[in-house]
Amino acid sequence: DADVTQTPRNRITKTGKRIMLECSQTKGHDRMYWYRQDPGLGLRLIYYSFDVKDINKGEISDGYSVSRQAQAKFSLSLESAIPNQTALYFCATSDDGQIGYGYTFGSGTRLTVV
Amino acid sequence: RKEVEQDPGPFNVPEGATVAFNCTYSNSASQSFFWYRQDCRKEPKLLMSVYSSGNEDGRFTAQLNRASQYISLLIRDSKLSDSATYLCVVIRHTGKLIFGQGTTLQVKP
Repeated sequence: DADVTQTPRNRITKTGKRIMLECSQTKGHDRMYWYRQDPGLGLRLIYYSFDVKDINKGEISDGYSVSRQAQAKFSLSLESAIPNQTALYFCATSDDGQIGYGYTFGSGTRLTVV
Repeated sequence: RKEVEQDPGPFNVPEGATVAFNCTYSNSASQSFFWYRQDCRKEPKLLMSVYSSGNEDGRFTAQLNRASQYISLLIRDSKLSDSATYLCVVIRHTGKLIFGQGTTLQVKP
């Protein structure tokens, strides 16, 4: 099993629909992140959480919300999806004790809003 | 101005060539530096850390110049399997990762 699992892998949804992307990890890391990737823009941080009781906005949080249900689970919601939220979404984890060694990413969720 | 900037390329090189990528960062308080590799439609994966003293891993060499605020990656004897996008990543002291937009490498037979 992958260390960081994202579901669904692919999703097509209609404008205005609510959608949730889920992320679970088996690494035991406290820190979890949601990024989106668009061509030519790199990865941009949406939200991050340093522990279960900690939620922080990233650089592009408008239109998104998150829930940290447990240390291992971090969900991203689009309350009312719009076409410019079409992107590749990645969840990532890191161990604050190993901050110098980078992150582990999930395989990504490709979301298309039509 | 982006906090981390890379030339997006693409860099098209023949097999066996040596190729170098540079990345500049604007926040002098940045703490750690990495190169990630991303294959098409896949997740980024850590390639190597970057240190001021230089870091070599087989055909790959990474270097950090704190005074000039740039990071480099050198790939020697390029292989077809090196074709990918290479992401420069800077970690702030808060632990947040800042990604460059990536440099695309295409190695041709």
